Amino acid sequence: DAGVTQSPTHLIKTRGQHVTLRCSPISGHKSVSWYQQVLGQGPQFIFQYYEKEERGRGNFPDRFSARQFPNYSSELNVNALLLGDSALYLCASSLTGTLNTEAFFGQGTRLTVV
Amino acid sequence: GENVEQHPSTLSVQEGDSAVIKCTYSDSASNYFPWYKQELGKRPQLIIDIRSNVGEKKDQRIAVTLNKTAKHFSLHITETQPEDSAVYFCAFTGGSYIPTFGRGTSLIVHP
Repeated sequence: DAGVTQSPTHLIKTRGQHVTLRCSPISGHKSVSWYQQVLGQGPQFIFQYYEKEERGRGNFPDRFSARQFPNYSSELNVNALLLGDSALYLCASSLTGTLNTEAFFGQGTRLTVV
Repeated sequence: GENVEQHPSTLSVQEGDSAVIKCTYSDSASNYFPWYKQELGKRPQLIIDIRSNVGEKKDQRIAVTLNKTAKHFSLHITETQPEDSAVYFCAFTGGSYIPTFGRGTSLIVHP
């Protein structure tokens, strides 16, 4: 049984560019959340989607957006990349739409902005 | 906003010793308190969690205690082993329903 899968695993982009990160949740999970993890810190919540609707949003600028597809996979988009966007981006899936339940993380996408 | 303080940032113990990591949170509406383990280069994985209607939960060598009055919860690992070496994160979800993670504790278990 496959866990949460993310693509790509690594990515290098130039300042000002746009990036799209992808996530496939565990089969049967309808909720996907996105986190940013800067080196040496804990994951920081960006978005949660449940049944294709945004359920929660963290303190991130409008350059960050996301969506969820009918098959419950999700994309995270970041526009006008800044050097400070360099981080590990984690996707997590869970069974329900509430955030007080176990989250299963993917292996992450390491984004480097140069 | 909601925040959580996690201490210590680094914890070095000898194999067989106990390790305790403590987190203090800000939101009294919090009702879910998970702990995650992240090995180097790997994904965070849930190791234990507790809900606000319970004061303590144990799973083999791992236990979590919750003090809602004082707004803190702690992870206890007994009989530590080298494979316990990792970064541990506490987290909570408060009234805003935004999961908040601590900065992490790097646990080093020396053989």
